[in-house]
Amino acid sequence: ILNVEQSPQSLHVQEGDSTNFTCSFPSSNFYALHWYRWETAKSPEALFVMTLNGDEKKKGRISATLNTKEGYSYLYIKGSQPEDSATYLCAFMRGSNYKLTFGKGTLLTVNP
Amino acid sequence: DTEVTQTPKHLVMGMTNKKSLKCEQHMGHRAMYWYKQKAKKPPELMFVYSYEKLSINESVPSRFSPECPNSSLLNLHLHALQPEDSALYLCASSQAGVGGGETQYFGPGTRLLVL
Repeated sequence: ILNVEQSPQSLHVQEGDSTNFTCSFPSSNFYALHWYRWETAKSPEALFVMTLNGDEKKKGRISATLNTKEGYSYLYIKGSQPEDSATYLCAFMRGSNYKLTFGKGTLLTVNP
Repeated sequence: DTEVTQTPKHLVMGMTNKKSLKCEQHMGHRAMYWYKQKAKKPPELMFVYSYEKLSINESVPSRFSPECPNSSLLNLHLHALQPEDSALYLCASSQAGVGGGETQYFGPGTRLLVL
């Protein structure tokens, strides 16, 4: 059984705050780590696919880092906006077999 | 077009009914996926099709029967479901490049209630 842990479970921040969440995954036989953003009643939206230790990716105000040796990834949001409110899911792929194992997600609420 | 569509959006069925969920993509992707998500739990993989062939079945009960009639369509046939099968069913697709570690594009899901 693969355990993908995300923390915190939920987070409330004020508009303009910067925030970050953590995804922990098994470090053995790593293949890829995905981040998704999921708004209620919408499709999960892909943010990043990360494959190399030390990877850093950025998309607007959102960025992510990856440490495959210790088994964690951080997602950062700079200057949070109310439209960033969503559940942020990470998903781990062990070996190149198409199978993603998801964490439970971090629910972010940004108050105006 | 980066959209994955799913129909219906909502479905209520009895335990003796037969119904089907449909998923469609026109991105030329050759891998398609079914996930199941119960409330307050992460999505769990059910099936993967790669080049229209079933490549992963995560020990899903036979009352769920997947079908991939062509590279754009993925169906999930439902028969004799149980109330505990009530969940959000998500479809996804990806390019199906080397090893499958590429971005998966998700549909909005079908919310299923089994009475």
